[in-house]
Amino acid sequence: NAGVTQTPKFRVLKTGQSMTLLCAQDMNHEYMYWYRQDPGMGLRLIHYSVGEGTTAKGEVPDGYNVSRLKKQNFLLGLESAAPSQTSVYFCASSFSTLAGGPNEQFFGPGTRLTVL
Amino acid sequence: TQLLEQSPQFLSIQEGENLTVYCNSSSVFSSLQWYRQEPGEGPVLLVTVVTGGEVKKLKRLTFQFGDARKDSSLHITAAQPGDTGLYLCAGANTNAGKSTFGDGTTLTVKP
Repeated sequence: NAGVTQTPKFRVLKTGQSMTLLCAQDMNHEYMYWYRQDPGMGLRLIHYSVGEGTTAKGEVPDGYNVSRLKKQNFLLGLESAAPSQTSVYFCASSFSTLAGGPNEQFFGPGTRLTVL
Repeated sequence: TQLLEQSPQFLSIQEGENLTVYCNSSSVFSSLQWYRQEPGEGPVLLVTVVTGGEVKKLKRLTFQFGDARKDSSLHITAAQPGDTGLYLCAGANTNAGKSTFGDGTTLTVKP
C-alpha cells in the first residue's frame, strides 16, 4: 500500500495564478483532510471531508476550495494564489469515527508551495 | 473552539537525558493522539490514548492521558538523536470527524 500520496511535491506560483493539489489514499478511509503548516504555527485545518461528495470548512478555509468526487481522492484548489498562501500543505486520511473509534490520521509527505 | 496547548515549545537536550512534554486543554476529549514529524516529512502517529489515567509505553516513550481526559504527557527516557523531531498532540471527540492539533514541541537531542 502507498498510503497517502500528494502531487506535486513542490510548486512555485506567481500571485494570481491558480493550481490544484491532489491527494490520494489507498486505505479505504472515509475521512480526508487538508492542512497547512507554517513555521511555529503547527497544523491548521483548511477543509475536510467525511465522505465521498461531502466537504466542510476547517479553521482557515478562505482562498481555498476542495472537492471529493471519489472516495480515494481529495483535491485542494487555489483559484488566485497570494503570497500569504506560501506554506507546506499536508493531506491526511482516517477511518470513520461514527462507531466511536479514535480519529487516527495518516499523513502524506506534503506539498511545498511558494507564491511569489 | 477547543484548544490544545503544548509545552515547552522548544527543547534542546543532550543524548541520555530524560524529558517530558505536556499537552493541556480546558476541554474534554474522547481520545488523544501523539504524532512525531521529522523535517521534510508528514506527521506519523505514535499512539492513541482513550481512557482517563491510561498509560501506554512505546519502548523509551511513555504516554499518559489525564484522569479528566483534558491533558496528556509524553515522557522520553534516555533520549537519543533519533528522537529529534516535532511532537504534536491532537484531541478528538466522537463523531466530530476532525481533530484539534497543538502547535507542537520541537525536540533536538544532541549527540
